[in-house]
Amino acid sequence: NAGVTQTPKFQVLKTGQSMTLQCAQDMNHEYMSWYRQDPGMGLRLIHYSVGAGITDQGEVPNGYNVSRSTTEDFPLRLLSAAPSQTSVYFCASSYSTGTGEQFFGPGTRLTVL
Amino acid sequence: GIQVEQSPPDLILQEGANSTLRCNFSDSVNNLQWFHQNPWGQLINLFYIPSGTKQNGRLSATTVATERYSLLYISSSQTTDSGVYFCAVESIYSGGTSYGKLTFGQGTILTVHP
Repeated sequence: NAGVTQTPKFQVLKTGQSMTLQCAQDMNHEYMSWYRQDPGMGLRLIHYSVGAGITDQGEVPNGYNVSRSTTEDFPLRLLSAAPSQTSVYFCASSYSTGTGEQFFGPGTRLTVL
Repeated sequence: GIQVEQSPPDLILQEGANSTLRCNFSDSVNNLQWFHQNPWGQLINLFYIPSGTKQNGRLSATTVATERYSLLYISSSQTTDSGVYFCAVESIYSGGTSYGKLTFGQGTILTVHP
């Protein structure tokens, strides 16, 4: 198992540009989530999904869109990047039944100029 | 929403020392995890422990759910233990079952000197 994978590892954008952060998992997890981590802080939940076709907002959803067309993939879209979105983004997944223990990807470091 | 407080915010140790990290939370939880974020930024699962006690080598954790706190013990610390330790919880009021909607504390920065 590759676990949770994220691409790209690093990205620099200009204000107003759009991009998609990719997340995939091969553990057949139904639940997937996106978090952002700002300097000196813990992670904050952006969006989450409890299965294909079902998504919902977390604590800090503004400026981000998600969709879940397959169990494996959960991309995060920035439609018009802003400097405030400079952060490290983590994707996570967990089983729908059982413990709910989350497993995290390696992260994407995004800088918006 | 649920509040998570970790203490101490910073901890400096000599190699071989023991330490205890604390996590207080404001609501009943159905999910509590401890993570280690290494200097390269990777989040490593240490424990899934919404209640009870677990041990893994030099690390152990205890959660007293009725009193809303969890403790992470590190014994015989090593330089490789350096990094940030996060406690993350999910409130039982987030939707009944655990959806993996974690709320993180601010973390404890651990530095272990040789």
